Amino acid sequence: NAGVTQTPKFRVLKTGQSMTLLCAQDMNHEYMYWYRQDPGMGLRLIHYSVGEGTTAKGEVPDGYNVSRLKKQNFLLGLESAAPSQTSVYFCASRAGGSYEQYFGPGTRLTVT
Amino acid sequence: DAKTTQPPSMDCAEGRAANLPCNHSTISGNEYVYWYRQIHSQGPQYIIHGLKNNETNEMASLIITEDRKSSTLILPHATLRDTAVYYCIVRVKDYGGSQGNLIFGKGTKLSVKP
Repeated sequence: NAGVTQTPKFRVLKTGQSMTLLCAQDMNHEYMYWYRQDPGMGLRLIHYSVGEGTTAKGEVPDGYNVSRLKKQNFLLGLESAAPSQTSVYFCASRAGGSYEQYFGPGTRLTVT
Repeated sequence: DAKTTQPPSMDCAEGRAANLPCNHSTISGNEYVYWYRQIHSQGPQYIIHGLKNNETNEMASLIITEDRKSSTLILPHATLRDTAVYYCIVRVKDYGGSQGNLIFGKGTKLSVKP
């Protein structure tokens, strides 16, 4: 049982490049979330999903897109990366009826 | 969701109890208190939650005042590995049909010293 995994762990992009971050969970959780964390700050919600095939915007969705084609995977896409998207990205999941969110180890993204 | 206030930092001696306070004076009756922690460079980790009764699990104890306007997370025997940022989050209990996301503030940076 790997829990929540994130790929890649580190990435450096140039401004304007695109990439996709992958989050996978093997706990059969309904809910999945993408957060970003900037230095000295708490986590901010980017997008979330309440089930396979559904996604919704969070607090800071601009510049990101997401997809949840399979229940176990939640993808975060950056179509045209900007330096302001330099951050650590965390994925999380939870079961319906549970208080507890499980977080992945994070992806450290630098946009130059 | 009710706003929380936590001290920015605290120190604790190894082996002693760490008592982390949280003020949530605007909490409403259907809001729970959650505690998470984030060890450096890792994803946040759930610790404990409660509504109005004191709670204890293998990691910590949660003491909520009778008026529910504040709470204290207690790590009974802090170790160096408990050095982390601790987040107190107040959230309506929601099981389905809503976001269920967590709103993280800046938390309390706990430093456990030898």
